Amino acid sequence: DIQMTQSPSSVSASVGDTVTITCRAAQDIGSWLAWYQQKPGKAPNLLIYDVSTLQSGVPPRFSGSGSGTDFTLTISSLLPEDFATYYCQQSKSFPLTFGGGTMVDIK
Amino acid sequence: EVQLLESGGSLVQPGESLRLSCAASKFAFSSYVMAWVRQAPGRGLEWVSTITETSGDRFYADSVKGRFTISRDDSRSTLYLQMNSLRAEDTAVYYCAKTFKLRGTARNFDHWGRGTPVTVSS
Repeated sequence: DIQMTQSPSSVSASVGDTVTITCRAAQDIGSWLAWYQQKPGKAPNLLIYDVSTLQSGVPPRFSGSGSGTDFTLTISSLLPEDFATYYCQQSKSFPLTFGGGTMVDIK
Repeated sequence: EVQLLESGGSLVQPGESLRLSCAASKFAFSSYVMAWVRQAPGRGLEWVSTITETSGDRFYADSVKGRFTISRDDSRSTLYLQMNSLRAEDTAVYYCAKTFKLRGTARNFDHWGRGTPVTVSS
């Protein structure tokens, strides 16, 4: 199994800040990396796939980068609706695995 | 707009069985790989199972292998998850998820249902 490790587990930020979340894969996953946003009581929502491709309708303040084992999700100019939990997911092979999540809350 | 509506979740005792359903609409269900993902209370996301188009292949997390069975009825646009020998650690919200093709694979989830809660407790 490919273990996915996210850091930090939580981060406090203010509206307008830039937040960076890191995801590390236990082995090389190439560009098979996606990011999801989840708000309390709601289903996850796909933000980015293939490391850096924005899903339709996702605003450009979200961006992804990385390759191999180290990846980042950057949220620029945080808006109130961005306070949520973010998960990375590897899609290189089964079993599909998610990172533990990063909660972005209001400072 | 793609719609996925899960049902069948409930409170059951350890060792019992349960079948979840996911009714899909507004897309060509039979053409897509589908999956179940769960989330235990206060925890992260855990992929459970995936089934390819025409049920050609099925994949399972080790934690459910041998106890859960994924299936689909394309004539009814419905995805199922038969869960047997349920354990307390299976307690979670179960989401049905649609995948999309990326470089010949279908392992990312672009649409999710609202989820159905399963509680396993005596």
